[in-house]
Amino acid sequence: DSGVTQTPKHLITATGQRVTLRCSPRSGDLSVYWYQQSLDQGLQFLIQYYNGEERAKGNILERFSAQQFPDLHSELNLSSLELGDSALYFCASKNGNYGYTFGSGTRLTVV
Amino acid sequence: AQKVTQAQTEISVVEKEDVTLDCVYETRDTTYYLFWYKQPPSGELVFLIRRNSFDEQNEISGRYSWNFQKSTSSFNFTITASQVVDSAVYFCALSLGYGQNFVFGPGTRLSVLP
Repeated sequence: DSGVTQTPKHLITATGQRVTLRCSPRSGDLSVYWYQQSLDQGLQFLIQYYNGEERAKGNILERFSAQQFPDLHSELNLSSLELGDSALYFCASKNGNYGYTFGSGTRLTVV
Repeated sequence: AQKVTQAQTEISVVEKEDVTLDCVYETRDTTYYLFWYKQPPSGELVFLIRRNSFDEQNEISGRYSWNFQKSTSSFNFTITASQVVDSAVYFCALSLGYGQNFVFGPGTRLSVLP
């Protein structure tokens, strides 16, 4: 167990639907990062939050949004889903000077 | 812009062979961090090593060793006496600073055959 918890592990949904992915960072970590891993795009940075505030944005679609709550957990909302959104979505948190710890990911399948 | 290249898409070796995974990075920043992550078939990303741009000391840790050369912008990773359990996709990644996000390379799929 890496200490970063992502739920659900698997999600199957239909095109046009909306889903929410949840991430709880390691205890004490203030930063949360979201990444998408797809076959054609590889691992791409989506968005970063630090202590509730958005810090950086990567290749995140307008149909996607995220937030970090006061208890530091984060949610990634994906709406108007398309087949191409099928991917493995990772959350990572940063632990002091050591490095980044990734969760086990949420595998999203859009059918 | 930053970029990480892993020219080897797939590598197959026989158990006990040594294997080196190549990584070349591009950045104009003088301060940056380089990482290697392993993604086994189970899918999670496992941290292997971090190096900052001021630390060119190479390291050996058990069967793993790393060769960081700023002159060629390379950060290669070697597994000595490979084992079947080393089969995974290996990602090289670049971060521009403390708390910054990663730019990942495309990954190298390593298959270690018994």
